[in-house]
Amino acid sequence: DAGVTQSPTHLIKTRGQHVTLRCSPISGHKSVSWYQQVLGQGPQFIFQYYEKEERGRGNFPDRFSARQFPNYSSELNVNALLLGDSALYLCASSLVPNTEAFFGQGTRLTVV
Amino acid sequence: DAKTTQPNSMESNEEEPVHLPCNHSTISGTDYIHWYRQLPSQGPEYVIHGLTSNVNNRMASLAIAEDRKSSTLILHRATLRDAAVYYCILRRLGEYGNKLVFGAGTILRVKS
Repeated sequence: DAGVTQSPTHLIKTRGQHVTLRCSPISGHKSVSWYQQVLGQGPQFIFQYYEKEERGRGNFPDRFSARQFPNYSSELNVNALLLGDSALYLCASSLVPNTEAFFGQGTRLTVV
Repeated sequence: DAKTTQPNSMESNEEEPVHLPCNHSTISGTDYIHWYRQLPSQGPEYVIHGLTSNVNNRMASLAIAEDRKSSTLILHRATLRDAAVYYCILRRLGEYGNKLVFGAGTILRVKS
């Protein structure tokens, strides 16, 4: 069975640009969460979506947005990229919000 | 968010048991204790969770203090593949947002 898949695996962008990261949850999972992990730190919660609705938001600026599609896949969008947005972006899926979370391998974003 | 405290790093010999401590003195009655680990270049992986009683699964055991203010993750026979960052996380029952609040975790090094 396929686990959580994220694309792309690596990405280099320039300051001020926009980026879209994609996540496909495990089949049957309806909840998707996004996390940002800066080098040397634990992951920080950005968003959670369930049944296409936002169910939780972390302490991130409005430059960060996300959505969930009818097939439960999800996109994370970041506008006006800053150098500090360089991080590993992790997607996690779960059956419903309060159950075990399964993480993908992440997208490594580098902003130059 | 209730806070957990873990040692920055620990070292173990291969084939020996490892006890990873976690303090959570501000835990509330509805907080579950979760452990995740993150192997190099991978997303976090669920290990085990519990509420009040000790728990065992194929990966590890979780020992929870009677007052629930601390817990210990036990790896019965460490292998080189267990070298990872281990995160102790409190997750509130019924918290629909379902976010995982990661700290810095404990870096476990396993020597052969």
